[in-house]
Amino acid sequence: NAGVTQTPKFQVLKTGQSMTLQCAQDMNHEYMSWYRQDPGMGLRLIHYSVGAGITDQGEVPNGYNVSRSTTEDFPLRLLSAAPSQTSVYFCASRSTQGAKADTQYFGPGTRLTVL
Amino acid sequence: GEDVEQSLFLSVREGDSSVINCTYTDSSSTYLYWYKQEPGAGLQLLTYIFSNMDMKQDQRLTVLLNKKDKHLSLRIADTQTGDSAIYFCAESMGGYQKVTFGTGTKLQVIP
Repeated sequence: NAGVTQTPKFQVLKTGQSMTLQCAQDMNHEYMSWYRQDPGMGLRLIHYSVGAGITDQGEVPNGYNVSRSTTEDFPLRLLSAAPSQTSVYFCASRSTQGAKADTQYFGPGTRLTVL
Repeated sequence: GEDVEQSLFLSVREGDSSVINCTYTDSSSTYLYWYKQEPGAGLQLLTYIFSNMDMKQDQRLTVLLNKKDKHLSLRIADTQTGDSAIYFCAESMGGYQKVTFGTGTKLQVIP
């Protein structure tokens, strides 16, 4: 299993540009989520999905969109990038059936800089 | 809502024990986790404990849970330089409930 994969690993954008961060998992997990990590603030949940076709907002959803057309993929879209969105973004997936305490598995992260 | 708190920084000498503490507020949490994040990498699960347990030991790692005080700790015995990382505690009720993470504790191991 590849686990959770994310692309790209690094990205630099100009203010106002849009882009999509890709995330895929091959563990057949229903639950997927996107977090951003900023110094001293831990991980903050942006959006999550409990299955294909179902998404919901986390604690910091503004400026981001998601979709879940398949179990495997959960892309995060930045609609109009702003410097405040400079961060490290992590995608995660987990089972919901009690397997290994429903442990979350994380991708390697995307380091985004918005100029 | 839930909140998970950790101290931001801990410094220990190589060979000593490290104790990283965490407090949480959601008493209905079923699972409590410890994750490790090395520089430039994602989070990796170190260990987890069910809320009906008081202690779990896994080689150099000991997790203690005081459910009454909502206090979770991670003890690393014989701390090595390779243990230098950020450690996150997290809580969840499992199933379709979200996972709430602490702010992370940066562990610095001095040779």
